[in-house]
This record gives sequence, structure tokens and C-alpha cells, in this order.
Amino acid sequence: AQSVTQLDSHVSVSEGTPVLLRCNYSSSYSPSLFWYVQHPNKGLQLLLKYTSAATLVKGINGFEAEFKKSETSFHLTKPSAHMSDAAEYFCVVSGLYNFNKFYFGSGTKLNVKP
Amino acid sequence: DGGITQSPKYLFRKEGQNVTLSCEQNLNHDAMYWYRQDPGQGLRLIYYSQIVNDFQKGDIAEGYSVSREKKESFPLTVTSAQKNPTAFYLCASSIGSDTYYEQYFGPGTRLTVT
Repeated sequence: AQSVTQLDSHVSVSEGTPVLLRCNYSSSYSPSLFWYVQHPNKGLQLLLKYTSAATLVKGINGFEAEFKKSETSFHLTKPSAHMSDAAEYFCVVSGLYNFNKFYFGSGTKLNVKP
Repeated sequence: DGGITQSPKYLFRKEGQNVTLSCEQNLNHDAMYWYRQDPGQGLRLIYYSQIVNDFQKGDIAEGYSVSREKKESFPLTVTSAQKNPTAFYLCASSIGSDTYYEQYFGPGTRLTVT
């Protein structure tokens, strides 16, 4: 079965310092992987996606993620955190036999300190 | 503007009453989904529909019902059989190709049952 593990439920960084949100997935093949961001009481917004093209994926707002098949990881990074990055982030993998089904990690709440 | 609308944003009901949450999309997407979000638990799939007049149960369908009479609309009814209905409900739709699908989310409805 497909599954996603977000290794940290909470991450706290200072403004201007790098951000690292960790995600590991379980799949017997190369899946499609996504990172979404959710601000309080809002819907989810797609940050970036990996769909078996380039392994380093650039997204919106300066975020990027690297697909590492050998480590089954898809960690999200940003060189310099901004106060507006404070939100909850979800790593998502698409279904093995049904690309139209999605599996969500439990989320990582990012706190950005001034 | 194309997108997904959910109404209302906040909904209050008395215990024992059924309530219907609206979800409409004008993206011409075939597939639609309903998720429930509780603090610290990420998103859990309630129902999904890949085409009109067809839908499948997700992981937590008990106490919920859906219909898909039109491509644009996928309403969710929270029945009195749902033991803990207070939650944030997210509707999504997806578009894809032969190799991957991508989900788009609505802004959510927060349901409070007392």
C-alpha cells in the first residue's frame, strides 16, 4: 500500500534561516509526489509536484523539493524563511494502481520566529 | 475565475440534524473528493467520484452520503449517524493524464454540531 510519513509534526525556524520539512514515502515504483500548504481555516494550495521528470522540483514562493528514489524521500526546502511561510504543509503521494487517489501525510506545522 | 467553491464557510447545527455541504467546480474536472480534517490528523478521505452518477466510499464514509448528478457538483450530507461531525471539510477535484493526476482544493467548510 501507498503511505507517506512526515517526520516532524512541528518545525520552528527564525526568519531568514533555511527551512527543511521532511517527507518519506512508501511505494514499489516511482510515484507522483506533491507538497501542499494550508494557512489557518483555508483550503490546500499546491506548492510543487514531482511527476517523474526532473528530480529537483521548483515550486511557488521559493520552495523546492528533491526526489530521492534511493532514500524514498521528497523533502521540502527553502533557503530563507519568511513570516508568511508560517502554515501547515502536507506531503502527498498518488495511488499505486489508481492515479486518481491520493495519500496524505499527517502534516508539518511550520512556525517562523521574527 | 475557475475554481472550487464551498458554501457556507461556517455552518452550525444541532445534534441529530442532517446537514448538506455544497461543493461546486467550474474546472471541468471529472473527479471530485470530500475530505475531513481534524487537528493533528491530516486529511481523511470520505467519498470520491470519478464520473457523474458514480462514487466510492473512502476511509471514513460511515455517517456520510453523497450524490453526483452533475459534473460540476458533489454535495456531501452529514447525517445524524455520524458520531463526531464537528470538523473542517474540504472538497477537491482533480485533472490528469495517463501517468498522474493533480488535485485542486476548495476553501473548506467548518461544521460545528452542538
